[in-house]
Amino acid sequence: GAGVSQSPSNKVTEKGKDVELRCDPISGHTALYWYRQRLGQGLEFLIYFQGNSAPDKSGLPSDRFSAERTGESVSTLTIQRTQQEDSAVYLCASSYILGVTSGYTFGSGTRLTVV
Amino acid sequence: AQSVTQPDIHITVSEGASLELRCNYSYGATPYLFWYVQSPGQGLQLLLKYFSGDTLVQGIKGFEAEFKRSQSSFNLRKPSVHWSDAAEYFCAVGASYNWGSQGNLIFGKGTKLSVKP
Repeated sequence: GAGVSQSPSNKVTEKGKDVELRCDPISGHTALYWYRQRLGQGLEFLIYFQGNSAPDKSGLPSDRFSAERTGESVSTLTIQRTQQEDSAVYLCASSYILGVTSGYTFGSGTRLTVV
Repeated sequence: AQSVTQPDIHITVSEGASLELRCNYSYGATPYLFWYVQSPGQGLQLLLKYFSGDTLVQGIKGFEAEFKRSQSSFNLRKPSVHWSDAAEYFCAVGASYNWGSQGNLIFGKGTKLSVKP
């Protein structure tokens, strides 16, 4: 597609429920990144994919968070047993190749509210 | 560890006035530096970036930034602010993947810009 698409744009969920956030990167972009933006905070790096592989998952906040990517395309970020502190905007970005020099394109984000 | 500090949480300027948003970074080698802008409900848009060479870089929408190694700063400037510039601005630092980093960017907490008519 022309840009990075994220869905849903807004999600309200009850505490304890699981949620799945989706990111469609720009076609041909091999690298994909997930960030979390809490209210009044900067962007917190969560995880990156090179192709379908995520070599380092240490940025994920807890074991309730997981992410996968298939077909070197769509990625999903799953949060199990959501907590109120998970409320944030989750941003996805993609780049042609891994690394900051190739330039990131960000999606508009998914605003997650846990009530 | 890499870090980015944006000392000003919120700045208000009058339309037509000049603007400077501050950014200081901490990094052990020559960093790659970026400024992004985020309008409400939108993703981040790249304004400009510095990798090497001329320390004064020009970006989109009339913005420029100057890399000052001695001050570990990369401040964003605009000579005359327009009402449409009201948004949140993020400074970010990164490293080349070839240097063993994850290829990810480290962001500051952002500066919210309000523009008075």
